[in-house]
Amino acid sequence: DAGITQSPRYKITETGRQVTLMCHQTWSHSYMFWYRQDLGHGLRLIYYSAAADITDKGEVPDGYVVSRSKTENFPLTLESATRSQTSVYFCASSVRGFSEAFFGQGTRLTVV
Amino acid sequence: AQKVTQAQTEISVVEKEDVTLDCVYETRDTTYYLFWYKQPPSGELVFLIRRNSFDEQNEISGRYSWNFQKSTSSFNFTITASQVVDSAVYFCALSEAPKTGNTPLVFGKGTRLSVIA
Repeated sequence: DAGITQSPRYKITETGRQVTLMCHQTWSHSYMFWYRQDLGHGLRLIYYSAAADITDKGEVPDGYVVSRSKTENFPLTLESATRSQTSVYFCASSVRGFSEAFFGQGTRLTVV
Repeated sequence: AQKVTQAQTEISVVEKEDVTLDCVYETRDTTYYLFWYKQPPSGELVFLIRRNSFDEQNEISGRYSWNFQKSTSSFNFTITASQVVDSAVYFCALSEAPKTGNTPLVFGKGTRLSVIA
């Protein structure tokens, strides 16, 4: 299917476990982004990537790791999940950094 | 640093009323882009509009209109004759485009609009 897809849609994990959220886009967009959405905070940027093998930190990168070996994939890993990382995570892609970003459906992650 | 402020946390209107969602931004760049997104109760984020800093013309799309004023650093969104289906969280966002490279979108905290039948 064309577009941007995230998996899983829902995930419950325990504190201290490693979790990877997947993001795949079929548009060959150069830019990809990870945001987290929390009540009262809106959407905050975690990491972004301008191209394969190029990544950069956003506003709230601590506790997260990203990689981008292929243009179409941009996985987000929580190395040791904490309860404060309970959130809805959105992946997005865009042709250029300042063009409109298209978002995946989101992943609701609960850390217990 | 870039910043977007949506001072209205929640707005409630009765169907068919007009409603304006405020967005104030801060940037040091002369070239930048402003966006509005809609997040309905289903949770997805839907792109509505992009406007660049050199185009201050207001835009109208059906019942939606946007008023961009550089003098007040505002990019307000008006829904005319609101409908229940307009109930959603609306986000304003900003991206700077300096010569050193484009910046990702920075979002405001959103305004939750409830349209009551």
